[in-house]
Amino acid sequence: AQSVSQHNHHVILSEAASLELGCNYSYGGTVNLFWYVQYPGQHLQLLLKYFSGDPLVKGIKGFEAEFIKSKFSFNLRKPSVQWSDTAEYFCAPDPNAGKSTFGDGTTLTVKP
Amino acid sequence: KAGVTQTPRYLIKTRGQQVTLSCSPISGHRSVSWYQQTPGQGLQFLFEYFSETQRNKGNFPGRFSGRQFSNSRSEMNVSTLELGDSALYLCASSTGTVAEAFFGQGTRLTVV
Repeated sequence: AQSVSQHNHHVILSEAASLELGCNYSYGGTVNLFWYVQYPGQHLQLLLKYFSGDPLVKGIKGFEAEFIKSKFSFNLRKPSVQWSDTAEYFCAPDPNAGKSTFGDGTTLTVKP
Repeated sequence: KAGVTQTPRYLIKTRGQQVTLSCSPISGHRSVSWYQQTPGQGLQFLFEYFSETQRNKGNFPGRFSGRQFSNSRSEMNVSTLELGDSALYLCASSTGTVAEAFFGQGTRLTVV
């Protein structure tokens, strides 16, 4: 089964601060990784995805993530957060492989 | 293209009853996964169906079951409801190959 773990459970930042949320994966073979976001009261939606190729992946709303194979990591970053980025963020492996265990999620609160 | 539709949106049941939740995936998607989301446990994988067959299963008791029909619509059944089954149940559809999952709005189940 593919699984990921997220280090930070709750992050609080001020607007314009930089963001980095940690995600580590623990499986070998072909690695496909995703970041999803859930805004308050809304359903989960895809932020970005990594299948292969360029390890630096750009997603929606200015988010990016870097796949570092040597560190088994796929951290999510944003140079300058906004109040509207307040949400819960989930790292996840390929939903079509194994038991698709999502990370525990990180709640991001951005103070205006 | 219509998104993932889950019905009903809200449900209140009493302990000991059973419940059936429905999920209509995006047209053309053959994989449907079910997740339970609670504040304390995060997002937990229940099971995944692909072409009417259960392809993956999480660590939930046998009271949780599901099925998928030939049109890819899926149902999830929970028997002998317990208070701890109160949660948001999410359905996600994908093509069944390496691709992101698209989530529905969820069914909010409250067991009293």
